[in-house]
Amino acid sequence: GAGVSQSPRYKVAKRGQDVALRCDPISGHVSLFWYQQALGQGPEFLTYFQNEAQLDKSGLPSDRFFAERPEGSVSTLKIQRTQQEDSAVYLCASSLASQGNQPQHFGDGTRLSIL
Amino acid sequence: GQNIDQPTEMTATEGAIVQINCTYQTSGFNGLFWYQQHAGEAPTFLSYNVLDGLEEKGRFSSFLSRSKGYSYLLLKELQMKDSASYLCAVRANQAGTALIFGKGTTLSVSS
Repeated sequence: GAGVSQSPRYKVAKRGQDVALRCDPISGHVSLFWYQQALGQGPEFLTYFQNEAQLDKSGLPSDRFFAERPEGSVSTLKIQRTQQEDSAVYLCASSLASQGNQPQHFGDGTRLSIL
Repeated sequence: GQNIDQPTEMTATEGAIVQINCTYQTSGFNGLFWYQQHAGEAPTFLSYNVLDGLEEKGRFSSFLSRSKGYSYLLLKELQMKDSASYLCAVRANQAGTALIFGKGTTLSVSS
């Protein structure tokens, strides 16, 4: 497709369950970012990939959060043993290059609700 | 620390002009972005400034003063569809190239 695609669009899980969120970036985009957006807030950085290499994971809130991009294209964000505070919209973005005036293009996000 | 401030809410009427301000204090600076986000949708790119001055793109303009840590987004000839959240984001010059976002300004345009 033409844009960043994320699935599922909505996810409801019980506290303690594991979830996996998928991001399909724009074809050819080298850089891929994950952000977490709470209601009424701006997106907050979680992690960043350049091709298959995870160059920065400083924003991951705990070791329950794990992200991968094994072939340098599709990425998965996994949250283990989910907790209520994990409820948020998870946004994925991709860009052609990591510097300069290349904007990040965002997907519609996955809205995660933990019961 | 990293801090980006913008007003929480603004209101305006159709056809008017509105200016949304953003101030930032970051460990470094490698560009400032403005995004528009309608409720439940993806943020969409509006503008990019890295040098001081005004960038104009149709009804939207963005201004940057690096010495003051200040930017604004100017929206002209407002339309109802401009009702959305406007996000100011800075790319700080540090390891990784993530954007640091403000909390967003919710703009409501009325007729």
